Amino acid sequence: AQKITQTQPGMFVQEKEAVTLDCTYDTSDPSYGLFWYKQPSSGEMIFLIYQGSYDQQNATEGRYSLNFQKARKSANLVISASQLGDSAMYFCAMREGANTGNQFYFGTGTSLTVIP
Amino acid sequence: DTGVSQDPRHKITKRGQNVTFRCDPISEHNRLYWYRQTLGQGPEFLTYFQNEAQLEKSRLLSDRFSAERPKGSFSTLEIQRTEQGDSAMYLCASSFGMKSAIFGPGTRLTVT
Repeated sequence: AQKITQTQPGMFVQEKEAVTLDCTYDTSDPSYGLFWYKQPSSGEMIFLIYQGSYDQQNATEGRYSLNFQKARKSANLVISASQLGDSAMYFCAMREGANTGNQFYFGTGTSLTVIP
Repeated sequence: DTGVSQDPRHKITKRGQNVTFRCDPISEHNRLYWYRQTLGQGPEFLTYFQNEAQLEKSRLLSDRFSAERPKGSFSTLEIQRTEQGDSAMYLCASSFGMKSAIFGPGTRLTVT
């Protein structure tokens, strides 16, 4: 089974609007971390936001927030007030277990295009 | 230093040649990861170091691939007898703790 599923290959959003990128995950480990990365056309993976499985509140970082629904095993990324520079690939990732060295599992990504 | 660096950024090689990539992690990060990413896919795990010890290797890492991290600082990834299927972006990341891993800009390999 896929550890991370991103079902939206491509998304479009009007500049200044909010957009939600979907991510569901699969794990039986009670301890895990969820991550979102942005990958512009240059190829570098840019860390955006982190949510721990035991965190009570949804994570927020500036215009980024993570809508964490543990029972549904979903970790959607919300980008508010979209900007042209937000156009990029977005990857959801998970790391399982208390061992902080465990590998990251990535989804297939969502391509976001911001329309002026 | 302000981030993870990788060298070279681009490499074109002929099938059958050996190539070596270098990754310099953030200095205080003790964990270092190598990932491979092909077009339209998410990164796939290759291997992981904690300090100088290689603790995990993916089944994707065939015998032609070898990675080292001498003295727990920079790391090298070598591919011997390259094949066209090795063409990909090779990403290095380093981390300290649970909350994030910082990726480098990647090395794009093209095997002709």
